[in-house]
Amino acid sequence: GAGVSQTPSNKVTEKGKYVELRCDPISGHTALYWYRQSLGQGPEFLIYFQGTGAADDSGLPNDRFFAVRPEGSVSTLKIQRTERGDSAVYLCASSLGTSGRNEQFFGPGTRLTVL
Amino acid sequence: DAKTTQPTSMDCAEGRAANLPCNHSTISGNEYVYWYRQIHSQGPQYIIHGLKNNETNEMASLIITEDRKSSTLILPHATLRDTAVYYCIVRVADSGYALNFGKGTSLLVTP
Repeated sequence: GAGVSQTPSNKVTEKGKYVELRCDPISGHTALYWYRQSLGQGPEFLIYFQGTGAADDSGLPNDRFFAVRPEGSVSTLKIQRTERGDSAVYLCASSLGTSGRNEQFFGPGTRLTVL
Repeated sequence: DAKTTQPTSMDCAEGRAANLPCNHSTISGNEYVYWYRQIHSQGPQYIIHGLKNNETNEMASLIITEDRKSSTLILPHATLRDTAVYYCIVRVADSGYALNFGKGTSLLVTP
């Protein structure tokens, strides 16, 4: 079956521009997570959705970052006025959202480069 | 979530068992030990998790000490494709909790 997909796989933009990163979770998964991974570091949590609502956005670094999941499936991470420090791999994960094993399935990521 | 400590890097010969340690001395009673790995240029992949008892699946075994302050992930017959960064994560099992990855252990399996 299809796993988590993310588009685009690579995005190069200029400082100050606006970007959108898309995540298609596994069908039926109610929980969706965004992480950011800088070179040489482990992934860092950004935001978590349960259904359509953001249940925890404590990892978003500032108000330039925003994410939506309007129909409880596809999610878009939006970054305004991009800065060079935003360059990283942005990872999306989904899970069934029930207690227990709660394995998170990750997509391949979007590599964002801000010039 | 409790903090974990892992060695920065390890080597293992192909075909041998890879034993990856993790210290989590501040683990709470309701926190599980999870292991994920990340192969270069891919997203992280779940391996195994456990609470108190040792666990085994098709990928690996997880040995948790009786006091739960440390654990070891065992890849019984490492292959070159097991070269990856391995993350030990301690967290409550309920949904909605993000994974706190840390820096992990970079495992290099050599021919």
